Amino acid sequence: DADVTQTPRNRITKTGKRIMLECSQTKGHDRMYWYRQDPGLGLRLIYYSFDVKDINKGEISDGYSVSRQAQAKFSLSLESAIPNQTALYFCATSDYRSDRGHNEQFFGPGTRLTVL
Amino acid sequence: GENVEQHPSTLSVQEGDSAVIKCTYSDSASNYFPWYKQELGKRPQLIIDIRSNVGEKKDQRIAVTLNKTAKHFSLHITETQPEDSAVYFCAASKETGANNLFFGTGTRLTVIP
Repeated sequence: DADVTQTPRNRITKTGKRIMLECSQTKGHDRMYWYRQDPGLGLRLIYYSFDVKDINKGEISDGYSVSRQAQAKFSLSLESAIPNQTALYFCATSDYRSDRGHNEQFFGPGTRLTVL
Repeated sequence: GENVEQHPSTLSVQEGDSAVIKCTYSDSASNYFPWYKQELGKRPQLIIDIRSNVGEKKDQRIAVTLNKTAKHFSLHITETQPEDSAVYFCAASKETGANNLFFGTGTRLTVIP
């Protein structure tokens, strides 16, 4: 089945380290998203991309960067990790069509990141 | 930007009873309202959505209602079952432009057998 995958699933790192989280999808969707989930705060959008040449900041982009290497791959980087970036990170994809309107977002399994 | 508020943050019901979760939104231009369910340790998954051209939508035991004038929408689960226990998130979006989803903070529903 077509799916959204994330690597790694769990990561522990130290303050100041650079870390990359990767997302791949076999759904053939154009749009990809990175979210952060914290207890009591819901899902907050970090970055989103509508195609390989289109990258946009979300609500909480400070301290993060992204790269859309191909239609199927969207990576999130923390250039210098800090403890308050400890969270559960989700990648998502969607297949928006102007004639059908908004379609659901499909989430990956998540990456649990701990910054010590 | 859009601001979505969700209440309650936790909800416990007896099996077989109904559960209602409410959300409000701030941007009157929002016109797409999905609900996601996240079981423990799992990824969020869409369970139902509604667009602003309808006031209510049902799918078996779940329904969503929308009041555009008051800018609020609700999720109704009837005849709750233990497998309904999860965290539920509402979201709001516009159909045009960036149409990103703005999520509520979630409701942890516990169905007591």
